[in-house]
Amino acid sequence: SQQGEEDPQALSIQEGENATMNCSYKTSINNLQWYRQNSGRGLVHLILIRSNEREKHSGRLRVTLDTSKKSSSLLITASRAADTASYFCATDKELIQGAQKLVFGQGTRLTINP
Amino acid sequence: DAGVTQSPTHLIKTRGQHVTLRCSPISGHKSVSWYQQVLGQGPQFIFQYYEKEERGRGNFPDRFSARQFPNYSSELNVNALLLGDSALYLCASSLDGSLSLSNQPQHFGDGTRLSIL
Repeated sequence: SQQGEEDPQALSIQEGENATMNCSYKTSINNLQWYRQNSGRGLVHLILIRSNEREKHSGRLRVTLDTSKKSSSLLITASRAADTASYFCATDKELIQGAQKLVFGQGTRLTINP
Repeated sequence: DAGVTQSPTHLIKTRGQHVTLRCSPISGHKSVSWYQQVLGQGPQFIFQYYEKEERGRGNFPDRFSARQFPNYSSELNVNALLLGDSALYLCASSLDGSLSLSNQPQHFGDGTRLSIL
């Protein structure tokens, strides 16, 4: 079963606009990660935010985390056509001590129109 | 350096057959995880291996099995294939599976697209 849910499921904007995607999760976490997936390809790691962090930046990406609401958001500023992809949030879940698996949401399909 | 490599890239099988998927992690990475991604869904965890030991298994039937070799490469085997096994199978590697993933993101290959007819 999926841990989290992304919102919206699909987003279409014009090039140059900002894109915001949200992720909600159910259980406590150590960290939350965002991944990008181009059509038919593997996942590319974008950013990791720890549970004691509230905001993190990487280039045009800004991630926020609100553990009280069990939610995170990914903001992509000044979007480009190359940003067209699916975006997934993933939380960690312990397997055995020290080992964890990733639990993904269903993703947001982002389309940037030229 | 090469990233995570998976083979084959595409595979077509019929119901009841068996399939073996292969994964080579990034050089120096000792932990390998397998995920199944059905079209339109997020990846679902199948297995994690570290130093040839299974560290965890997802909610998949016993038809799914895996192993890791001394060179840290891994195979995923699926027996008695069903139509519902059609999916993209992703392999991910990380440096040291004994540490919390808080410090090390997983690196994914491009996957094997498995189609069951």
